[in-house]
Amino acid sequence: DAGVIQSPRHEVTEMGQEVTLRCKPISGHDYLFWYRQTMMRGLELLIYFNNNVPIDDSGMPEDRFSAKMPNASFSTLKIQPSEPRDSAVYFCASSLTVGNQPQHFGDGTRLSIL
Amino acid sequence: KNEVEQSPQNLTAQEGEFITINCSYSVGISALHWLQQHPGGGIVSLFMLSSGKKKHGRLIATINIQEKHSSLHITASHPRDSAVYICAVIRGSQGNLIFGKGTKLSVKP
Repeated sequence: DAGVIQSPRHEVTEMGQEVTLRCKPISGHDYLFWYRQTMMRGLELLIYFNNNVPIDDSGMPEDRFSAKMPNASFSTLKIQPSEPRDSAVYFCASSLTVGNQPQHFGDGTRLSIL
Repeated sequence: KNEVEQSPQNLTAQEGEFITINCSYSVGISALHWLQQHPGGGIVSLFMLSSGKKKHGRLIATINIQEKHSSLHITASHPRDSAVYICAVIRGSQGNLIFGKGTKLSVKP
């Protein structure tokens, strides 16, 4: 299996621009997670989906962030408009179930907002 | 107070030493993960456990549910073990991971 695939690997853009991060989970995995990692806060959940339905979006910082999962094999995380404080590494992860199955992480997208 | 606390934050060891990283949590959990993050940034799941002990090669993970504590041990440490080790828990019936701040391990040859 190819694992969780994220794109792009790196993104540098100016503040105010729209940013779209993409994730392809492992085929057959019912759960998809978006996490953000910063030096100050470490890893934290943004949102997760079960069978394409958002279950918990309490970690989404504000209305500038939105996430969608239009089908079982694709999810996007969008930031509009972007701000310098959004600079971080964004990880996507997927799992078969929760509680008794490990989560598999993508390589992450390193986002820099200038 | 963080729901997941790790210690130590940083750890330097000589090659061959036995290493222990500790994790304490304050919430009810359904499972605990130990993750490894190398300098390149990728995150790999080492263990997922909800009771007892698991072993994989030179790595051993234990958990004590009553004491809300887990440990990750590395025997005969090697420079390639240098990485950040992250403890993460799944709280109750929720699906997402709650992460500790990580332990940065550096093993010197």
